[in-house]
Amino acid sequence: DTGVSQNPRHKITKRGQNVTFRCDPISEHNRLYWYRQTLGQGPEFLTYFQNEAQLEKSRLLSDRFSAERPKGSFSTLEIQRTEQGDSAMYLCASSLIQGQGENIQYFGAGTRLSVL
Amino acid sequence: EDQVTQSPEALRLQEGESSSLNCSYTVSGLRGLFWYRQDPGKGPEFLFTLYSAGEEKEKERLKATLTKKESFLHITAPKPEDSATYLCAVQALSSGTYKYIFGTGTRLKVLA
Repeated sequence: DTGVSQNPRHKITKRGQNVTFRCDPISEHNRLYWYRQTLGQGPEFLTYFQNEAQLEKSRLLSDRFSAERPKGSFSTLEIQRTEQGDSAMYLCASSLIQGQGENIQYFGAGTRLSVL
Repeated sequence: EDQVTQSPEALRLQEGESSSLNCSYTVSGLRGLFWYRQDPGKGPEFLFTLYSAGEEKEKERLKATLTKKESFLHITAPKPEDSATYLCAVQALSSGTYKYIFGTGTRLKVLA
């Protein structure tokens, strides 16, 4: 078990460019979450997947954001036409849900995005 | 509206000076309350989960407790390596789906 892995760790881009982040969850985990965190704030929920199905999206997730989890394994988060307000840490978490059991989310180290 | 509030925002302690962090919540259908530790530039690290009022969990110098409206994270005789941001999150049932809502955290600094 190597934990949740996120790449890249840092991304600097110019306004208007597209960026894509990758998250590899803990191998047996069926749920995968994306969060955004800005300085001094707690993580804000963006979206989550159960296996390959995207089950919920936050209102924070504008049309410029899209996430996929093909084959229920790794996930990608793409931001199109980046804006300076997109600068944040993007966190991925995974969990193993069985029935109505507990949902402990394990987080990756995050991808820090800076939009110039 | 579902809400999680943590206090204080920041806390400075001398090494060995015990204290408590507070997480108060207003949610319907609470399914669990979680405490995480976050170091600068890193993702949150899971500490505890609590499910029902009266429940307590301990790990080294940390002890988490839960009531119907709030949770406390007690830090006994802290050390400088306990310096971090401590985040509280609740999992709540809302509109038929489960939401995971974080507070803004308490930044703890323990001085040697």
